[in-house]
Amino acid sequence: QSVLPQPPSVSGTPGQRVTISCTGSGSNIGAGYDVHWYQQLPETAPKLLIYGNTKRPSGVPDRFSGSKSGTSASLAITGLQAEDEGDYYCQSYDSSLSGYVFGSGTKVAVL
Amino acid sequence: QMQLVESGGNLVKPGGSLRLSCAASGFTFTAHYMTWMRQAPGRGPEWVSDISGGSRYTNYAESVQGRFTISRDNAKNSLYLDMSSLRAEDTAVYYCARKVGGRYEAWYDPWGQGTLVTVSS
Repeated sequence: QSVLPQPPSVSGTPGQRVTISCTGSGSNIGAGYDVHWYQQLPETAPKLLIYGNTKRPSGVPDRFSGSKSGTSASLAITGLQAEDEGDYYCQSYDSSLSGYVFGSGTKVAVL
Repeated sequence: QMQLVESGGNLVKPGGSLRLSCAASGFTFTAHYMTWMRQAPGRGPEWVSDISGGSRYTNYAESVQGRFTISRDNAKNSLYLDMSSLRAEDTAVYYCARKVGGRYEAWYDPWGQGTLVTVSS
């Protein structure tokens, strides 16, 4: 059972907007710790997509955006493209576990 | 640009040992905590261990405490993970990653391409 559950999969057609939720608790997201997001394309390593809840590293398209509210966070992909197919993971700090935790992961499919 | 390249993954029998290496380039290695992550087949990433820039502080996941040892050689811009008493559940792709940000707000960027460790008889 993941500390940060995410929906197993989301899908959309090219150009659509999809969102991925990351549900936390009072010992992680709800405690005020930042949420970060990673994109893992097939057969590749995870790549930083969003840090500090809403910030995009240089080179990440502005189609990707992050938000956080209460005990959860979300990643939105607008103008979905075929190249966005892959797995997406949230990450935060958990004070009960005294360590960094990752979400269960969401597979994005472009129909 | 920043780059991390892991090596050392292999097939090893339960109870065996293995050393992973990670060569870093493109950033000031000594200025950053460095981290080992792993990802079992079909699972999400899992934090394994990290080490401070000067090697003074090390941290381990409970699942590997006492069996794995993290170290670094700043003269060689290299990170290591010595693994012993390996178990089937240690089977995973192991990644090294640079830790960025504060004590409780850290994120990881970049990640290496990973090296596969398979523990099986």
